[in-house]
Amino acid sequence: NAGVTQTPKFQVLKTGQSMTLQCAQDMNHNSMYWYRQDPGMGLRLIYYSASEGTTDKGEVPNGYNVSRLNKREFSLRLESAAPSQTSVYFCASSRDRMNTGELFFGEGSRLTVL
Amino acid sequence: DAKTTQPPSMDCAEGRAANLPCNHSTISGNEYVYWYRQIHSQGPQYIIHGLKNNETNEMASLIITEDRKSSTLILPHATLRDTAVYYCIVRPQGDDKIIFGKGTRLHILP
Repeated sequence: NAGVTQTPKFQVLKTGQSMTLQCAQDMNHNSMYWYRQDPGMGLRLIYYSASEGTTDKGEVPNGYNVSRLNKREFSLRLESAAPSQTSVYFCASSRDRMNTGELFFGEGSRLTVL
Repeated sequence: DAKTTQPPSMDCAEGRAANLPCNHSTISGNEYVYWYRQIHSQGPQYIIHGLKNNETNEMASLIITEDRKSSTLILPHATLRDTAVYYCIVRPQGDDKIIFGKGTRLHILP
């Protein structure tokens, strides 16, 4: 039982390159989330998905796209990376919006954009 | 924007109780108070949550005021391993848009 798994754990990109961060959970959770955390700052919500096939914008969605591929997987794509997107990205999941389930987080993906 | 306000940092002596305050004066009736902590740069970890009543588990106690406008997380016997950033958030039942604030950085002093 791995919980929430994120890949890759580290990535260095050049400005303008694209990449996709992958997230998978094995807890049969309905809701999934992507957060970013800049150095010394709190977590900011990028996008979230309440169920398979649905996605919603969070606080800072600009420059990102997401896909809820199935119930297990929620990917985050940077189409044209910018230095301002250098951050640690955390994926999380929880049971569903009607249940007061807590968030379970992955270990994070550390992205540097040069 | 986050619906909670927390002090940016606090100190606590090892072995003493750490009391972390959180203000959520605009909380609605169906919103739960959740506490998480983040040790170093790991993913945040759930601690405890509550609606109206005080709650206790093996990690901590949560005291919610009667008007529900504030709460306190209590770590009864703080250890050096409790050094972390603690986040207080409110989560409405039926809403997945979970916003974190900046949290409180707790320093445990030996």
